[in-house]
Amino acid sequence: TQLLEQSPQFLSIQEGENLTVYCNSSSVFSSLQWYRQEPGEGPVLLVTVVTGGEVKKLKRLTFQFGDARKDSSLHITAAQPGDTGLYLCAGAPPESGYSTLTFGKGTMLLVSP
Amino acid sequence: ETGVTQTPRHLVMGMTNKKSLKCEQHLGHNAMYWYKQSAKKPLELMFVYNFKEQTENNSVPSRFSPECPNSSHLFLHLHTLQPEDSALYLCASSQLAGVGYNEQFFGPGTRLTVL
Repeated sequence: TQLLEQSPQFLSIQEGENLTVYCNSSSVFSSLQWYRQEPGEGPVLLVTVVTGGEVKKLKRLTFQFGDARKDSSLHITAAQPGDTGLYLCAGAPPESGYSTLTFGKGTMLLVSP
Repeated sequence: ETGVTQTPRHLVMGMTNKKSLKCEQHLGHNAMYWYKQSAKKPLELMFVYNFKEQTENNSVPSRFSPECPNSSHLFLHLHTLQPEDSALYLCASSQLAGVGYNEQFFGPGTRLTVL
């Protein structure tokens, strides 16, 4: 069982569609981060959510942290081919003393023109 | 150079070879990390260094040997690897491990293939 479960594992959509991907856990996190990894590159930090219920917007991307701080979602409006990539959520679990990050397996998003 | 750089980007080695991966961060950070990324698995943390002192070793086999001569440079020395060690090896840095949100900045990775 993964500490951070991401769904769906793979998503293929057409340009202009909206989508939501999820990151769930049974553990409480002090914060969660979202990264995007493009093919052949390392992950790039998109956002950190800290407060339960928090909503952060980054252009067409909307990130939400669950009230109980156990889950998070990423919503993309009017997806573009440039949004293609692996979306990873990560958090520092209490078991590690909040010192290291644990990553989910990611959601692979493919946006076709 | 800016951000986090890694060399080489691609490496093919035999099981009896010895090679090294290099990482350099230009962000003024004090913590550096090695991760392994395999297909269909989450990123696996291998080693953590804070102020060039190793603070985490996630039960990594001894055929992987890290070295951190200063806060800006990190190496991963490889010897007698197995084919299952083939993966993308990512280096990352952050201000300080275990402090704040631990937001990490990654290099592009080294794609390693062990024959």
